[in-house]
Amino acid sequence: AQTIHQWPVAEIKAVGSPLSLGCTIKGKSSPNLYWYWQATGGTLQQLFYSITVGQVESVVQLNLSASRPKDDQFILSTEKLLLSHSGFYLCAWSLVLGSNTGQLYFGEGSKLTVL
Amino acid sequence: QQKVQQSPESLSVPEGGMASLNCTSSDRNFQYFWWYRQHSGEGPKALMSIFSDGDKKEGRFTAHLNKASLHVSLHIRDSQPSDSALYFCAANTGANTGKLTFGHGTILRVHP
Repeated sequence: AQTIHQWPVAEIKAVGSPLSLGCTIKGKSSPNLYWYWQATGGTLQQLFYSITVGQVESVVQLNLSASRPKDDQFILSTEKLLLSHSGFYLCAWSLVLGSNTGQLYFGEGSKLTVL
Repeated sequence: QQKVQQSPESLSVPEGGMASLNCTSSDRNFQYFWWYRQHSGEGPKALMSIFSDGDKKEGRFTAHLNKASLHVSLHIRDSQPSDSALYFCAANTGANTGKLTFGHGTILRVHP
């Protein structure tokens, strides 16, 4: 069975501090990987997607970056947090062949509060 | 302009009642439609998909798609308190980017 694990579960950080959020997928080889951002109770905005190791496409510019150092790992980071970065960050994966229809499998999310 | 619009913003139904959620798209490139459900503090989970005109039934859930009007709906019969969640309509053009466009969601509350 496939599992997706995000870390940390929650973070409280100061404006201007760095951030690193991680995501690991087990049980699925070479999945497509995604980062989504969600304001509290709000819609889901896709930030990045990756179809292979070392290759990441940016969807929106939010002073964030993403990397895929391993087939099963996706990292979201920034060197300087803004208040607007607060929210819920969700990692997701999809089957390569299924990515054109929309079946995404989300992790449990990381809640970020920037003060 | 939001390409996927949902209504109502929130909905309260009694336990055992019928909940009806609506979704309209403004982009005719969308080919695939999904309903996702998110319980508080969790990640969203795919509830059901609908790709062809007409109805699709899965247990207590029925989705309806009208591609001509770009309207999708979700009907939940015999609603349970565990159905209380945030429901998203999502659409995809079919391009291999996995880019789902989500609506703003409908908050469903099922009260005993």
